Amino acid sequence: GEDVEQSLFLSVREGDSSVINCTYTDSSSTYLYWYKQEPGAGLQLLTYIFSNMDMKQDQRLTVLLNKKDKHLSLRIADTQTGDSAIYFCAEIGSNTDKLIFGTGTRLQVFP
Amino acid sequence: SQTIHQWPATLVQPVGSPLSLECTVEGTSNPNLYWYRQAAGRGLQLLFYSIGIDQISSEVPQNLSASRPQDRQFILSSKKLLLSDSGFYLCAWSFRGSYNSPLHFGNGTRLTVT
Repeated sequence: GEDVEQSLFLSVREGDSSVINCTYTDSSSTYLYWYKQEPGAGLQLLTYIFSNMDMKQDQRLTVLLNKKDKHLSLRIADTQTGDSAIYFCAEIGSNTDKLIFGTGTRLQVFP
Repeated sequence: SQTIHQWPATLVQPVGSPLSLECTVEGTSNPNLYWYRQAAGRGLQLLFYSIGIDQISSEVPQNLSASRPQDRQFILSSKKLLLSDSGFYLCAWSFRGSYNSPLHFGNGTRLTVT
């Protein structure tokens, strides 16, 4: 079945760049998503990328997709303390309504 | 614009008691609806999803059930809670018939079973 994996923790200094990585197994994935979850809250959609794209940039966020290796990354430039949260990647295959989520990466930003 | 409401925000229930969590969506019709559970420090587990009234799929065996009495209302229930039911429950919706539509989440319900 489909599987999505992420590292559990990432700690960065304020102002540095953060890179959160994700690998997935479903080769039929059409869209891949990044969600942010702040403490005690629901998930907020940050950005997404279509599988025929290699890169998408949205302000401080850059998504890179290596479809051959089934590897997705989220780069946050100039990381701020407000970026501290859990980040989930998720993928959806063709002809399905179900997102498969990774385990989430807890990003901690220290001054 | 579409909004999703989920309540209560927190709940403490004794083992063996019943459960009812409610979720409603506004601003759209015929949404896909989902219930996820997030155990402490863990990822998201899909519990139920629904593509229409009385069309509900269960993803994992458990003592929970889901119902969709109205198009934009999704209810998560249990007759007798277990300690292992503790967790953070998230309701979500997406556009029906639009494959690859992202999910939009409610603010979640933190359930503690004592």
